[in-house]
Amino acid sequence: SQQGEEDPQALSIQEGENATMNCSYKTSINNLQWYRQNSGRGLVHLILIRSNEREKHSGRLRVTLDTSKKSSSLLITASRAADTASYFCATGGGADGLTFGKGTHLIIQP
Amino acid sequence: DVKVTQSSRYLVKRTGEKVFLECVQDMDHENMFWYRQDPGLGLRLIYFSYDVKMKEKGDIPEGYSVSREKKERFSLILESASTNQTSMYLCASSSELAGTDTQYFGPGTRLTVL
Repeated sequence: SQQGEEDPQALSIQEGENATMNCSYKTSINNLQWYRQNSGRGLVHLILIRSNEREKHSGRLRVTLDTSKKSSSLLITASRAADTASYFCATGGGADGLTFGKGTHLIIQP
Repeated sequence: DVKVTQSSRYLVKRTGEKVFLECVQDMDHENMFWYRQDPGLGLRLIYFSYDVKMKEKGDIPEGYSVSREKKERFSLILESASTNQTSMYLCASSSELAGTDTQYFGPGTRLTVL
């Protein structure tokens, strides 16, 4: 099965700074998704980027996809304390379910 | 908005008990999924279903079974709970008819098996 691997595993930055997380995967994909999980809660879908897209924006989020390198990055600009969470990339989907990476734990210091 | 609910946020059971985890979605999604999440291992797919009465094994189905008698409800069953099934269980649903692979997750059930 396909698998995303996030990097770094943990990231701590000051409020207002930008946070960048990376994801690598192993096989060809139709799309890649990013999810956020606040402590002890379920996952929330953030953004989906298709294999024919290189960059996508949603509010303070910017996602890039490089299918030649099998990698994606998630940039959160002007971070806020509420952005403290774990972030996961996921590949696959449809009726087969998603395959998630282990996540990047982001801490925003006030 | 899509709503996925799970029957319990926290559950404590004893080894050998039969455990039912319920998941309900209100958006008429045809696909439903059960994952477990463990520290250092990420999310792993246990079972999924893409239609009523249909089920498919995921990556780690051993020790689990599922039931989908109605489209909106997907149940995960631990026939005889064991301590290594202590975990966070997440249910999700999706619809390919929506033209996207986005999955909508419930809040999770944290199961402890003593």
